[in-house]
Amino acid sequence: GENVEQHPSTLSVQEGDSAVIKCTYSDSASNYFPWYKQELGKGPQLIIDIRSNVGEKKDQRIAVTLNKTAKHFSLHITETQPEDSAVYFCAGEDSSYKLIFGSGTRLLVRP
Amino acid sequence: KAGVTQTPRYLIKTRGQQVTLSCSPISGHRSVSWYQQTPGQGLQFLFEYFSETQRNKGNFPGRFSGRQFSNSRSEMNVSTLELGDSALYLCASSFDRDEQYFGPGTRLTVT
Repeated sequence: GENVEQHPSTLSVQEGDSAVIKCTYSDSASNYFPWYKQELGKGPQLIIDIRSNVGEKKDQRIAVTLNKTAKHFSLHITETQPEDSAVYFCAGEDSSYKLIFGSGTRLLVRP
Repeated sequence: KAGVTQTPRYLIKTRGQQVTLSCSPISGHRSVSWYQQTPGQGLQFLFEYFSETQRNKGNFPGRFSGRQFSNSRSEMNVSTLELGDSALYLCASSFDRDEQYFGPGTRLTVT
């Protein structure tokens, strides 16, 4: 079955710097990769997603890249702000359409 | 459009008891998925309901069950509670097999 690994587990950046979170997946049949942001006391919020027919997708300061050959995808946040501080989860959709989540990255943006 | 709502938000139960959690999906969404989130195991898929039928199931014991009503609202039930069932239970709704939007979760504590 699908397995998703996420790195790093914690990430501390200075406000204004960029942050990159990386995930690898095992099932070459996976076609859908969402990213979620979870703030304290809240449920995960879908922030961006990518399907296997594209290599990159951007939404303002957030971008996701996908390398199907290497089976990895990454989240890029530019010009980080303190409100970007949260736990970020990547996920891959397995062949039965279940979302398999990575273990999460705690991002801290220092003012 | 209102988001996913879950009730109750917090619950304290004793070992051996049973519990029922409720989820109301986004209007028009027909699929409801349930996840368990714990610090040790992360986000794990429990099951998915679509048009009142369980369409997908994760690797949880039979003590975990669910159902979906004709208005797409869903409930999950956990019987014979164990200490290890303490977790944040999240539901996510989608129109079908597409983007999933999470609710705020129900925090269950088993004592």
